Formats: sequence, structure tokens, C-alpha cells
Amino acid sequence: DAKTTQPNSMESNEEEPVHLPCNHSTISGTDYIHWYRQLPSQGPEYVIHGLTSNVNNRMASLAIAEDRKSSTLILHRATLRDAAVYYCILRDGMNRDDKIIFGKGTRLHILP
Amino acid sequence: DAGITQSPRYKITETGRQVTLMCHQTWSHSYMFWYRQDLGHGLRLIYYSAAADITDKGEVPDGYVVSRSKTENFPLTLESATRSQTSVYFCASSGTGGLTDTQYFGPGTRLTVL
Repeated sequence: DAKTTQPNSMESNEEEPVHLPCNHSTISGTDYIHWYRQLPSQGPEYVIHGLTSNVNNRMASLAIAEDRKSSTLILHRATLRDAAVYYCILRDGMNRDDKIIFGKGTRLHILP
Repeated sequence: DAGITQSPRYKITETGRQVTLMCHQTWSHSYMFWYRQDLGHGLRLIYYSAAADITDKGEVPDGYVVSRSKTENFPLTLESATRSQTSVYFCASSGTGGLTDTQYFGPGTRLTVL
């Protein structure tokens, strides 16, 4: 299974952009890059996903390196509510039974 | 719009007792999942179901039983609870696109086995 590597924790100031990195050097051509986050005392929630091109939605942007061996989740203007654990996950788009494997993620602290 | 709900939210039980955790979703999603989350282990998949009457094992199925007689419900039973099953349990569901579909998680059940 292709694995991801994320920093254990990061800090950012409120109202500033946050760039959360993820390395996936063994990614395969059919793997999608998904991001979920887990707010304190809640279940995980979907943030964004992409395959090759950069993606934007109302929550965040996903920047994918040209060689796809790394990606960055971008929160454009962090708020206190964005303090959470962020998980970068690879999902095989060709395998309907590909299960989500949650690693330990990056714990994001937002400083007021 | 209830989405996905779990009950109870908190449960304390004793070793050897049977416990059932309930999960209900209102989206008519085909897939439903049970995860457990322990400190230092992240989330681990226990069982999943692709449709009513179809279930399959995940990473850590031992000691758990599931059933899915109706699309909207996916109960998880601990037949004889052990202390190692103390954890936070999350139920999730996703649409018809298989396991690669976006998963929507419930609020969790915090289970303590004494």
C-alpha cells in the first residue's frame, strides 16, 4: 500500500494562510490524494481530494506536485475553528474496495 | 437533515457483557463502516458493509459482530466486551461509488470497559 508522511504537528497564526505538506513518494498512477480532518471530539470530515491537477473548494485548496510525490493542503485564512488533525490519504481509484487507511496525521494548532 | 447518528454517545460497561452500538444514516448510502480510534493508533477499520445483508471484515474485526438488515442501520456488537475494546467508535457511510467515495462520519461513541 502506498503510504503518506506528514509532520506530527504544526502551528499557525489566526487569519494567516496554512500550508500542510504530505509526502507520498510511492504513489501509483491510479491513487487519488484525499484529505480529511478531525476536529476535537468529532468524527473525521472530508476536506478535498485530487488526482493530478490542483483543486479548490470552499474549505481549502490542494496543490499537487508535478511528479505527484508530494502535495500541500492550503487553508487560505486559518481560523480557530481550523484547529484539528489533518489526514492525508491515498485511495486507489481503480479499486472499489480500497479502504481508507488513516495514519496519525498532522495536528494543527492555531494561535490567536 | 439528521445525516448520520450514533447511539449511545457514551457507554460504560463491564468485562464480559454484551454491548451494541447503533449507527443510523438518512442518506440511503450503500456503504457503511465501523472504525475504532485509540491513542497512538489513529482510526482502524473494524467492519464494513457494501449493502444490506453484505458485510466484510476490516483491519481489526476480532471480538466484534455486525449485521445490516436495513440499508440505514449498521449496528456493531461486542459479544463479550474486554478492556482492550475501550475506545472511541466511529460509524461512517458513503454513496454508491465504492470505498473510494467520500465517507461521512458520525459523532462517535466513547466506550469504556471496566
